Amino acid sequence: KAGVTQTPRYLIKTRGQQVTLSCSPISGHRSVSWYQQTPGQGLQFLFEYFSETQRNKGNFPGRFSGRQFSNSRSEMNVSTLELGDSALYLCASSLDRDRGNGYTFGSGTRLTVV
Amino acid sequence: GDSVTQMEGPVTLSEEAFLTINCTYTATGYPSLFWYVQYPGEGLQLLLKATKADDKGSNKGFEATYRKETTSFHLEKGSVQVSDSAVYFCALRREGAQKLVFGQGTRLTINP
Repeated sequence: KAGVTQTPRYLIKTRGQQVTLSCSPISGHRSVSWYQQTPGQGLQFLFEYFSETQRNKGNFPGRFSGRQFSNSRSEMNVSTLELGDSALYLCASSLDRDRGNGYTFGSGTRLTVV
Repeated sequence: GDSVTQMEGPVTLSEEAFLTINCTYTATGYPSLFWYVQYPGEGLQLLLKATKADDKGSNKGFEATYRKETTSFHLEKGSVQVSDSAVYFCALRREGAQKLVFGQGTRLTINP
């Protein structure tokens, strides 16, 4: 079955712009999470959605937002981009909220802010 | 708060060598523990997992045992291959939480 699909794979944006990233989870997976990966901070949790509701949010400024649609697809938005937002953004989906299940990750969107 | 500490990298080994990557954690309760692997230019792949004390996760020759008494989940492989070169992440997920907490990652390079 298809894995987690993230689009686009690469993005270059200018400071001050905004960006929207998309994630399609594995069919049947209702939990979608987003992570930011940078060389300095490593992997940091952004937020998690389950059945269109944000259940958990990491320690990121309000410029970072997301949403989930009825088909479980998710988008994240970053407004007023800063150079420090350059990172690999990873989406992960899970069958349910059982702690025993690992998440399946997509290949990520590489965002470069210039 | 919850945290995961991995051994410092990078780690460089010769093919067929024995591999150990140390991972210790701090968390309340009984978290689930995971090892993920990231190949260049790709996302994370789940390598193995364990959900309770003394569980042994295994996959592709890699093993890790959930040690509650030492709060550890060390990754081992008896004979590494060049294709194992990647970055390895240890992670935990606390019961009731909807997020993974990752270690800083360990870059592994295997030379032929």
